[in-house]
Amino acid sequence: EAQVTQNPRYLITVTGKKLTVTCSQNMNHEYMSWYRQDPGLGLRQIYYSMNVEVTDKGDVPEGYKVSRKEKRNFPLILESPSPNQTSLYFCASRPLLATDTQYFGPGTRLTVL
Amino acid sequence: GESVGLHLPTLSVQEGDNSIINCAYSNSASDYFIWYKQESGKGPQFIIDIRSNMDKRQGQRVTVLLNKTVKHLSLQIAATQPGDSAVYFCAEKGIGPGGKLIFGQGTELSVKP
Repeated sequence: EAQVTQNPRYLITVTGKKLTVTCSQNMNHEYMSWYRQDPGLGLRQIYYSMNVEVTDKGDVPEGYKVSRKEKRNFPLILESPSPNQTSLYFCASRPLLATDTQYFGPGTRLTVL
Repeated sequence: GESVGLHLPTLSVQEGDNSIINCAYSNSASDYFIWYKQESGKGPQFIIDIRSNMDKRQGQRVTVLLNKTVKHLSLQIAATQPGDSAVYFCAEKGIGPGGKLIFGQGTELSVKP
C-alpha cells in the first residue's frame, strides 16, 4: 500500500530537549516536504527536498532542521524545541514533476511545554 | 508568543443539498490549483485539481471553477453527504517542478443529516 508514515503520532516534550520526527514514504518519490498546521494559519511549509541531499527552506524554517540521506526518509529535527513549535506536523511526498499526487502522512501532534 | 488563532470559516448544509466552498488565491502567476479535504485526525487528501488554462473541471460529485480575473477558486459538491464533513483547503502552486504549494486557511463543512 502506497503511504507516508510518520512517527511518533503524538509527542509531549519540554523546552530545549532535542527531538526528531521521522517520515518515510514507499513510493520512490523525489519530492518530500514538511508542513505545520496551526489554527487560523492553515498549512505552512517548513522545509522541502527535491531529491537526496537536496533540501531547501520553506516559509517557516526557523528552529527546524531536516536531512535527506536516503530517498525514502525525510526526518524533521528540532534541536531545541520551544513552546511556539507546539503544532500539528505533516510530512508529504510526491513525484518531482507532479503535484496532484501529493500524499500526506497522518500527522504528528507535538506539544512543547 | 503565538498569535491567537482565528476560527475557520464554516459552512453548514443539509444532507442532499449542494455545497459551494470559496477560496481567493494570491499569485496571478500560479499555474495549478488543488482542493484538499482534511477529516478530523487525518492528513489532507487530494480531491480535484485544475490548471490555469482551464476555468472548470468536473470530477465525481465535485466541480472546481477558476476565475483568474478575480483570482477566485470554488469547489462545488453535489448532493452533499455526511461523509463530506471535513475541512477543505485550496492550494496554489507556483511555476516550475519545485513550485511549492501555498494553502488557504480552510473552510469547515458541516453536513446536517
